[in-house]
Amino acid sequence: QSALTQPASVSGSPGQSITISCTGTNSDIGGYNSVSWYQQHPGKAPKLMIYDVTNRPSGVSYRFSGSKSGNTASLTISGLQAEDEADYYCSSYTSRSTLVFGGGTNVTVL
Amino acid sequence: EVQLVESGGVVVQPGGSLRLSCAASGFTFDDYAIHWVRQPPGKGLEWVSLIGWNGGSTYYADSVKGRFTISRDNSKNSLYLQMNSLRPEDTALYYCARDRGIRLYKYDMEVWGKGTTVTVSS
Repeated sequence: QSALTQPASVSGSPGQSITISCTGTNSDIGGYNSVSWYQQHPGKAPKLMIYDVTNRPSGVSYRFSGSKSGNTASLTISGLQAEDEADYYCSSYTSRSTLVFGGGTNVTVL
Repeated sequence: EVQLVESGGVVVQPGGSLRLSCAASGFTFDDYAIHWVRQPPGKGLEWVSLIGWNGGSTYYADSVKGRFTISRDNSKNSLYLQMNSLRPEDTALYYCARDRGIRLYKYDMEVWGKGTTVTVSS
């Protein structure tokens, strides 16, 4: 199972919006609504930010939103803040009943 | 407090074996499927394995299938990963993580441990 494709880095200024893409295939992202996004700060465990494409767990800021079109999912962070600087990973359920992650995107707040 | 604590990570030679453990507390352990996820130094996350809430179903990434075995002991609130025929590319921080579903597979993880480090080197 190949990793999902994410851009290596994305940057934005405070207050701006950024979008991270995550591209897969019909056997993962395109075939199921089980796409999740995780935030990971250096030295910390990942934190679930979005599940089932668009849903936010309790306690996650409304500034984080998810979407999907075809084989590509996206995470948008609006009103970018310094604390949003982290690595972000997408994941998807696959047709083989496994899970696949993206390669990760480093978000920099300028 | 809901908590997962991994242990068992050490330095091991290529071809060797190791068993990781994950101790759960603060929730009804046998209601949840549990995943192992690893992260090589400086690299991204890689899903390793999943076990159902009663241990009846297990799933593996191709990279570890046939070498790793996931298991659980619900009487001890514990999860295990038996790792055999270890390779240098298995070197990573290994996390256990709770699936979000209650007696359902959701394939996303809302509770994570801090991880335990496995180094495969001669």
